Amino acid sequence: GENVEQHPSTLSVQEGDSAVIKCTYSDSASNYFPWYKQELGKGPQLIIDIRSNVGEKKDQRIAVTLNKTAKHFSLHITETQPEDSAVYFCAALDSWGTDKLIFGTGTRLQVFP
Amino acid sequence: GAVVSQHPSRVICKSGTSVKIECRSLDFQATTMFWYRQFPKQSLMLMATSNEGSKATYEQGVEKDKFLINHASLTLSTLTVTSAHPEDSSFYICSARSGTSGDEQFFGPGTRLTVL
Repeated sequence: GENVEQHPSTLSVQEGDSAVIKCTYSDSASNYFPWYKQELGKGPQLIIDIRSNVGEKKDQRIAVTLNKTAKHFSLHITETQPEDSAVYFCAALDSWGTDKLIFGTGTRLQVFP
Repeated sequence: GAVVSQHPSRVICKSGTSVKIECRSLDFQATTMFWYRQFPKQSLMLMATSNEGSKATYEQGVEKDKFLINHASLTLSTLTVTSAHPEDSSFYICSARSGTSGDEQFFGPGTRLTVL
């Protein structure tokens, strides 16, 4: 089955700097990769997703890139703000028709003013 | 659109009691709902997948007799933790997927369960 690894586990940046979180997956047949932001005590919120037929997707300050050959995808946040501080999870959709999302271990992002 | 609610948001109960958590899709029909458990500073662990009108599919290691899941309608799924014990204390999160949302899952706000 699918396995997703995520790095780094913690990331501290200064306000205004960029933050990059990277994930790798094991199943080359996976074709859907969402990113979630989870604030303390709340459920995950989808912030961006990408499908395997696209190499990059951008939404304002957030972008995701996908390298199918290397089986890795990354989240890029530019011009970070203190309100970006949260835990970010990547995920990959299991390709065996189960509809299951396989989550990475999470990255705790802290943006210092 | 695509709002998922959970009730209650937090619950404290005594060891040995049963607790029911509701997950509702407010503005769409959820053909599939998922239940996750999240321990502090850890990732989401899928417990089970439920499709409306059929039995839930449980992940390996999840006791189906302890975590009862019912998906009786296209907008409601319930998770009942039977005979809860302190080790069942966790953050329980549901998500829902509609037939028209593609692969996207919409997550609820979570339920904090504390078993004394």
